[in-house]
Amino acid sequence: ETGVTQSPTHLIKTRGQQVTLRCSSQSGHNTVSWYQQALGQGPQFIFQYYREEENGRGNFPPRFSGLQFPNYSSELNVNALELDDSALYLCAAQRGLAGNNEQFFGPGTRLTVL
Amino acid sequence: GENVEQHPSTLSVQEGDSAVIKCTYSDSASNYFPWYKQELGKGPQLIIDIRSNVGEKKDQRIAVTLNKTAKHFSLHITETQPEDSAVYFCAAKEGNTPLVFGKGTRLSVIA
Repeated sequence: ETGVTQSPTHLIKTRGQQVTLRCSSQSGHNTVSWYQQALGQGPQFIFQYYREEENGRGNFPPRFSGLQFPNYSSELNVNALELDDSALYLCAAQRGLAGNNEQFFGPGTRLTVL
Repeated sequence: GENVEQHPSTLSVQEGDSAVIKCTYSDSASNYFPWYKQELGKGPQLIIDIRSNVGEKKDQRIAVTLNKTAKHFSLHITETQPEDSAVYFCAAKEGNTPLVFGKGTRLSVIA
């Protein structure tokens, strides 16, 4: 296994609600990236956190926000949920920022917005 | 920005045959090309990667080739087995930029 865990596994919300997704990884994996994977698509980069600071962001609106904690765990928050936010949300952890350091993916959180 | 195209979207092969998945990328500055396997209910798992200073890399039944001039790279799986059935993603990136993924190929190995 990858050593990356995510919670919850599944989540159902309604439009307009807010959601928090969580990710934790093994010691030393101090960089966390979040991805959105729509059905039948590849993962799309949301943002990355390193040393508790956002370090790069994809083409997602500000209602997608995140946090990283001193133990390197991370949260993804989405406000004002829309139907199109329904997707699998993946976090990936790596050691440091080097571009070709392997990213270890968690199993994802399946979010359904009704 | 980078754009990665992946073909085919679905692929069925008989057990023991070879499977080939192809990707093209748009940004000539991209220098890192990983391949991921995603099984049902799991996140993507890195199976092989190649850097721009190498033309080919092999790991047992899996190989990847890179043609920087044409901006395409391919995944080759030989002697396919039923457990190879999964969705495969290619990706590309340059330096510390984010990974850009293809849309995936669903590989079915028929016993």
